[in-house]
Amino acid sequence: DTGVSQDPRHKITKRGQNVTFRCDPISEHNRLYWYRQTLGQGPEFLTYFQNEAQLEKSRLLSDRFSAERPKGSFSTLEIQRTEQGDSAMYLCASSPTSTEAFFGQGTRLTVV
Amino acid sequence: GEDVEQSLFLSVREGDSSVINCTYTDSSSTYLYWYKQEPGAGLQLLTYIFSNMDMKQDQRLTVLLNKKDKHLSLRIADTQTGDSAIYFCAESISDSWGKLQFGAGTQVVVTP
Repeated sequence: DTGVSQDPRHKITKRGQNVTFRCDPISEHNRLYWYRQTLGQGPEFLTYFQNEAQLEKSRLLSDRFSAERPKGSFSTLEIQRTEQGDSAMYLCASSPTSTEAFFGQGTRLTVV
Repeated sequence: GEDVEQSLFLSVREGDSSVINCTYTDSSSTYLYWYKQEPGAGLQLLTYIFSNMDMKQDQRLTVLLNKKDKHLSLRIADTQTGDSAIYFCAESISDSWGKLQFGAGTQVVVTP
């Protein structure tokens, strides 16, 4: 499978714990995006990378959130001190320098 | 509120045509997209249209763009039960193709 891969698919965590998600983009796609989708809403942009550089962060990305793409390939999104409001689907997408962004299956986070 | 607006629900009979409508606000958007999301899954890119085009046809899908009214529509011909899903309209909001502003989605239910 050469699509965008996200791990884990589901994560249940207790409030206050830290969680980390991983995204493997399509090979040679130099742009990688993170989105958050809550129930009944469309995805909301969080941040994006071009190669290893994080070029933009949404105001939705509080100080508890950090994303990295250390070698310009896979990326991680960490949420510290999770809150119930963090419960959502976290989607990763990648694109080459063209018009199309391809999304992964997402990681569904539930904070209890 | 949303910069991209869609009706929330559409019911259509199998074999009929579906038309999903969307309005957007950013007149500088370069590309406009339609994505499909099935339950528990990520987003599948269906089609997109460049802002200097009025229409694009791709097999059963027809996209119409009215730039003056900032109105986008997706027509699905000969709708099948497998077309039941949530359809998202999205506009590019920068020169980074994957940074998208999504609508809340239109749930399409196809009945036999």
